[in-house]
Formats: sequence, C-alpha cells, structure tokens
Amino acid sequence: EIVLTQSPATLSLRPGERATLSCRASQTVSSYLAWYQQRPGQAPRLLINDASRRATGIPARFSGSGSGTDFTLTISSLEPEDFAVYYCQQRSSGPLTFGGGTKVEIK
Amino acid sequence: QVQLVESGGGVVQPGRSLRLSCAASGFTFGSYEMHWVRQAPGKGLEWVALISYHGSDKYYADSVKGRFTISRDNSKNTLYLQMSSLRVDDTAVYYCAREQDWAFDIWGQGTTVTVSS
Repeated sequence: EIVLTQSPATLSLRPGERATLSCRASQTVSSYLAWYQQRPGQAPRLLINDASRRATGIPARFSGSGSGTDFTLTISSLEPEDFAVYYCQQRSSGPLTFGGGTKVEIK
Repeated sequence: QVQLVESGGGVVQPGRSLRLSCAASGFTFGSYEMHWVRQAPGKGLEWVALISYHGSDKYYADSVKGRFTISRDNSKNTLYLQMSSLRVDDTAVYYCAREQDWAFDIWGQGTTVTVSS
C-alpha cells in the first residue's frame, strides 16, 4: 500500500497570504495524484487532478505541482473560504489511499 | 444537475447489518466506476470499495473485506453498500463518489452510520 504523508498537519495563515501544502508518497505514483478541499460539515471537493490540472470551476489561485513522490498544492492568496482541510489522494497502484490531511486555519 | 444522494444510514448495534444506497442523477451512471469512501468522526478520509462500470469487478479495503459488499443497478442509477458484521470502528460518514480520470469528481453529501450498543 502506498502511504501519503501530508505536511504540515496545520498551517496558520492570514487571508491574502500564500499557502504551500506538501504531500509525499512512499513510492512513486507518477502523476496520479489529486487534491481535495473539505470544509466543515461538507463533502470533499476535487481541486486538482493529475497532479497539476485544475478541476472544473476551481479558481486559478489553486495550483498543483510535482510528480513521482513529491507534490505541492499552492494557494497563491488565501480567501476566507479557503480555510479548510486539504487531502491528497493517489490512484496509481494498490489500494487507493488518502493522505492524513492539512488543516489551513486563520492566524 | 449532476448529483449523488446517499441514504440508509442510522444507528445499529455491533454485529448487525445495514445497506446504504446512493442515487445518481444528471449523468450516464453506467459509464463510470463508483466508490464508497468513509470518514470516522474527526478523522481523515478512508477509501472503502470500488465497483467497475458493469459491476463485474469489485475491490475492497482490507478493513472491510469479507464484511462489506458493493453493488450497483445501472437500470436504477443506484449504487449500494451492504454492510454486515458491523463493528464500532465502522462508525463514520459514508460518501459515494464518482471516479473520473483517476480522481473523485462528484461526491454525495454523505450518510452517517453509527455502530453502538
């Protein structure tokens, strides 16, 4: 099973600041990595697919990068609605797995 | 619009069974692989099961293998999860999700399953 490790666990930032979230895989997942946002009480929402492709309707301030084992989700300038939990997920091989999540909170 | 709506959750005693349903609308249900994903209270996301387009191939997380069965009825645009021998640690919100291009692009709102004596 491929383990995805997200860091940091919590990111404390102010609106307007840049957020950089990391996801590291225990073995290569090529570019088969997605990012999701989950707000309290809501279902997850797909942000990024194939490591860097924004899903339909996702604002341009969200961007993804990386391949192999190291991936990054960047939010260029945080809006109030961006304070949430973010998960990475791989579908490369073995059972599908999620990372443990990064909570982006208001500082 | 494209939508998934889960139902069937509730409170059940350990060892009992429960069946969840997920009604799809707004898209050609039989053209997509479908999944169940769960989230225990205060925890992260855990993939549970996958079913292929026509239902011939099914895959499960080790934590539910042999106890849960995923199925689908493409004529009714509905996905199911039959859960048996339920345990306290199966307590979670259960989401159905559509897979597109190796990711989950559509999620339901979730249904809550509580296993407690």
